[in-house]
Amino acid sequence: DAGVTQSPTHLIKTRGQQVTLRCSPKSGHDTVSWYQQALGQGPQFIFQYYEEEERQRGNFPDRFSGHQFPNYSSELNVNALLLGDSALYLCASQRGNQPQHFGDGTRLSIL
Amino acid sequence: EDQVTQSPEALRLQEGESSSLNCSYTVSGLRGLFWYRQDPGKGPEFLFTLYSAGEEKEKERLKATLTKKESFLHITAPKPEDSATYLCAVHLPGGYQKVTFGTGTKLQVIP
Repeated sequence: DAGVTQSPTHLIKTRGQQVTLRCSPKSGHDTVSWYQQALGQGPQFIFQYYEEEERQRGNFPDRFSGHQFPNYSSELNVNALLLGDSALYLCASQRGNQPQHFGDGTRLSIL
Repeated sequence: EDQVTQSPEALRLQEGESSSLNCSYTVSGLRGLFWYRQDPGKGPEFLFTLYSAGEEKEKERLKATLTKKESFLHITAPKPEDSATYLCAVHLPGGYQKVTFGTGTKLQVIP
């Protein structure tokens, strides 16, 4: 039973570029959340998707957007990248109010 | 503002030396508290969910407890493989599972 899978594992971009990160949830899970984790910090909630709709959002600018597909997989898009966007981006999936299960993340480096 | 604070930031133990990690929170109407373990370069791995004061959960050398204002993760006779960052997260009140994480405690167990 595959867990949460994220791609790519590492990515290097330059300031001003745009990036798309992908997430496949654990089998049976219908809700996907995205988090940003800076080095030495806890994950910070970006937003959550359920039934292809964004239903909650954390304190992140509109440069951060997402999408959920009918198969429950999800994408995180970040536009106009800044140096401060360098972080580990984590995807978590769940079913209902069950605990979230995390993927191993995408390490994004901005030069 | 909802806050989650973990202490200590880092903890170094000899193998077999038991200790406790603390997670204090200032959340009204807590809907659940989670403990996760995170290894370097990996996503958080779910350990426990606690819902009400007085509740306890155990798994191998770990025991999590919950009071009205804090949670403890007790580690009994730790082994080097218990070395990791332990994250606490709270499920905020509201319609959906919005989760706020603490910054974690980095545990190192020396053989």
